[in-house]
Amino acid sequence: GAVVSQHPSWVICKSGTSVKIECRSLDFQATTMFWYRQFPKQSLMLMATSNEGSKATYEQGVEKDKFLINHASLTLSTLTVTSAHPEDSSFYICSARATDGLAFFGQGTRLTVV
Amino acid sequence: QKEVEQNSGPLSVPEGAIASLNCTYSDRGSQSFFWYRQYSGKSPELIMSIYSNGDKEDGRFTAQLNKASQYVSLLIRDSQPSDSATYLCAVIRGSTLGRLYFGRGTQLTVWP
Repeated sequence: GAVVSQHPSWVICKSGTSVKIECRSLDFQATTMFWYRQFPKQSLMLMATSNEGSKATYEQGVEKDKFLINHASLTLSTLTVTSAHPEDSSFYICSARATDGLAFFGQGTRLTVV
Repeated sequence: QKEVEQNSGPLSVPEGAIASLNCTYSDRGSQSFFWYRQYSGKSPELIMSIYSNGDKEDGRFTAQLNKASQYVSLLIRDSQPSDSATYLCAVIRGSTLGRLYFGRGTQLTVWP
């Protein structure tokens, strides 16, 4: 399958700081990228959908000013968690989808806010 | 009614048995269907896609789609302990660029 690289795989940050997570599709152009959050033993929760060059569409209840998404090119999307707090600690996963509809996931980023 | 529904399990089968995972979806206009496998602490991995009614086989995995019944399933033959994971059913409404909906996943345990 296609390769989606997500970086970093884990990060620990202090409360109040910001963290940026990158998601790259390495061998295909991603028309759409998705950002998910997953708490332990729970299902994937879609946070936002982004298309290259346009503003992200956020799911209900997700603060767009706190979770900044930039989809600058067909191969790169970033998620910035601003002013992180301990309750933001979670597993963040990106997914990139090509025009054939197949969506592939990055490795995920485990964020711990202390 | 949720877009995609799966039995959360857990489903437990002995090694060598057939594991059957089921999924139903609500939108009759859905065209694309996927099965992902997620190991604990890891991100989901695409294992099957199916778009037409009938069966699609890939190694030990067979996906089955019945659009009339709005039902998609995944069969795992000769189950191995390494197949123990959570299996996520995903559906795209409408075109391939439509929104992707995930079920909550079914936890499968294969015991030796």
